[in-house]
Amino acid sequence: QKEVEQDPGPLSVPEGAIVSLNCTYSNSAFQYFMWYRQYSRKGPELLMYTYSSGNKEDGRFTAQVDKSSKYISLFIRDSQPSDSATYLCAMSRYSGGGADGLTFGKGTHLIIQP
Amino acid sequence: DADVTQTPRNRITKTGKRIMLECSQTKGHDRMYWYRQDPGLGLRLIYYSFDVKDINKGEISDGYSVSRQAQAKFSLSLESAIPNQTALYFCATSDSPGQGGTDTQYFGPGTRLTVL
Repeated sequence: QKEVEQDPGPLSVPEGAIVSLNCTYSNSAFQYFMWYRQYSRKGPELLMYTYSSGNKEDGRFTAQVDKSSKYISLFIRDSQPSDSATYLCAMSRYSGGGADGLTFGKGTHLIIQP
Repeated sequence: DADVTQTPRNRITKTGKRIMLECSQTKGHDRMYWYRQDPGLGLRLIYYSFDVKDINKGEISDGYSVSRQAQAKFSLSLESAIPNQTALYFCATSDSPGQGGTDTQYFGPGTRLTVL
């Protein structure tokens, strides 16, 4: 079993829809959870950073962590064509990655249709 | 100017050649990382450095070496490149954990390496 599982997609939705992106993980020691967005031919850029369980909202983006289920989600409201990108979940045992670095999902390719 | 820069951005080389990828940062971070990204495999950690005198192997360090020349510079070398090292390589930086703020990793734009 992979440490982090993420559906690669592609996930195609119409503009304005609510998008739900998810990752599951197996290592219960993970405490720090991140979502990165990666445009084609660019480096990943941090979208959301959460510690332990709970929700965090930033504009149109909401990150949820359910440690009991080992499941994290990213919701995008009022999706825009500019949101089309690959979304990577990442997690770590230690703040900043620490000695293990970050463990990434493989990424979900999201397409927002105008 | 970008906070994390990588050179070259693209490189094509032949099997057996020695290749160096360079990373520089102006963020003042202590920690630097090298990852590779492959289709279907995601990002995997090659090496990381917590300061100039601290170098550590990551998940897939075989066939690679690194040098931390200064706080701001971290180089990745392929001593004898092979085709399965064809990938997108990313450098990342992070601050040391401390009170307050986030110490997340910030990525450079990547180097696309092709080994023929």
